[in-house]
Amino acid sequence: GAGVSQSPRYKVAKRGQDVALRCDPISGHVSLFWYQQALGQGPEFLTYFQNEAQLDKSGLPSDRFFAERPEGSVSTLKIQRTQQEDSAVYLCASSFGQGRYEQYFGPGTRLTVT
Amino acid sequence: KQEVTQIPAALSVPEGENLVLNCSFTDSAIYNLQWFRQDPGKGLTSLLLIQSSQREQTSGRLNASLDKSSGRSTLYIAASQPGDSATYLCAVRQDPGDKLVFGAGTILRVKS
Repeated sequence: GAGVSQSPRYKVAKRGQDVALRCDPISGHVSLFWYQQALGQGPEFLTYFQNEAQLDKSGLPSDRFFAERPEGSVSTLKIQRTQQEDSAVYLCASSFGQGRYEQYFGPGTRLTVT
Repeated sequence: KQEVTQIPAALSVPEGENLVLNCSFTDSAIYNLQWFRQDPGKGLTSLLLIQSSQREQTSGRLNASLDKSSGRSTLYIAASQPGDSATYLCAVRQDPGDKLVFGAGTILRVKS
């Protein structure tokens, strides 16, 4: 079946612009995660949804970052007033459930802020 | 706070060699541990998932072990090939919390 998809794959934004990144999880997966990967580093957790409920947003670096999953399926990560330090790859992952289930990752969105 | 460390940071080996990548973590309260492969400019491909109650998992030329009490995992790659060249990441799934905590990765180059 289809895997996790993300769009756009690449995004160039001028500093100060708002951006929206989309994630389509695997159908039926109730858990959805966003991670940020800086160049040469491992991914770092941003936020986590169980269905439409955002259970953990402790990794969001500032109040300019906002995520939603209103119908418990597609999720959007929004970054307001982008800064150069926001340049990174944003990865989305989904999982059938909590705990022991494997997380499956999308291809990521590479954001470059100029 | 969970911290995951991977050693070595980079490794270059000739084709055909067997090799071991190491991963250590500081908090043993985990659901499971995953090994991923990442090719340049690409997303993450899951290689092996080991549940906290398991000791090892095998897939083809790959074997991963887990010693939860000592906070260690190893990924063994047999008869390495140039196509194995990539960055290998290990990650633990927190209990509770569910998020994955990643190491910084090992960059592997297999020379033909």
